[in-house]
Amino acid sequence: QKEVEQNSGPLSVPEGAIASLNCTYSDRVSQSFFWYRQYSGKSPELIMSIYSNGDKEDGRFTAQLNKASQYVSLLIRDSQPSDSATYLCAPESYNTDKLIFGTGTRLQVFP
Amino acid sequence: DAGVIQSPRHEVTEMGQEVTLRCKPISGHDYLFWYRQTMMRGLELLIYFNNNVPIDDSGMPEDRFSAKMPNASFSTLKIQPSEPRDSAVYFCASSLRQGGNTIYFGEGSWLTVV
Repeated sequence: QKEVEQNSGPLSVPEGAIASLNCTYSDRVSQSFFWYRQYSGKSPELIMSIYSNGDKEDGRFTAQLNKASQYVSLLIRDSQPSDSATYLCAPESYNTDKLIFGTGTRLQVFP
Repeated sequence: DAGVIQSPRHEVTEMGQEVTLRCKPISGHDYLFWYRQTMMRGLELLIYFNNNVPIDDSGMPEDRFSAKMPNASFSTLKIQPSEPRDSAVYFCASSLRQGGNTIYFGEGSWLTVV
């Protein structure tokens, strides 16, 4: 089992729709979770972090965490073509404090 | 701040040649990371430093890879000899501290070994 699993996509959604990106992780004691966005040919950049079970909202982005299910998701409301990118889920290893990145989900938002 | 600065941005080299990638972290950041990204394996942590000291190099694929951080503002990742399977994007990143802190990535060094 991979440490972090994400559907590689592409996930295609129309402009204005809600995009839902999912991630499962194997480290049962991970406490911190991060979502990075990576545009094609660019470097990853942090867009959301979440530490507690439940939802965390920031603008059009909502991160959801369920530690019991070892599941974290990212919702993007009112998706825009500029949201088209690869989204990397990164739980932080409890024992080493290292970020373990998933391979990412490619999101395509079409007009 | 200028952000994390990497060089070269692109390098094409022949198999067997030595490759040196360079990184200048954000001033004041105590942690420096070297990542490698490929389509097949995603983003992998190779090694990280805290206050110029290597802390964890368990991700370094083999002895052909080495990394140094002689001072707080400079690090190198060296591959000798290079092989075609080393072709990837190598990212340097830095953060203020480990554990729940934002990691800032450089623009990457795109390496092609032919």
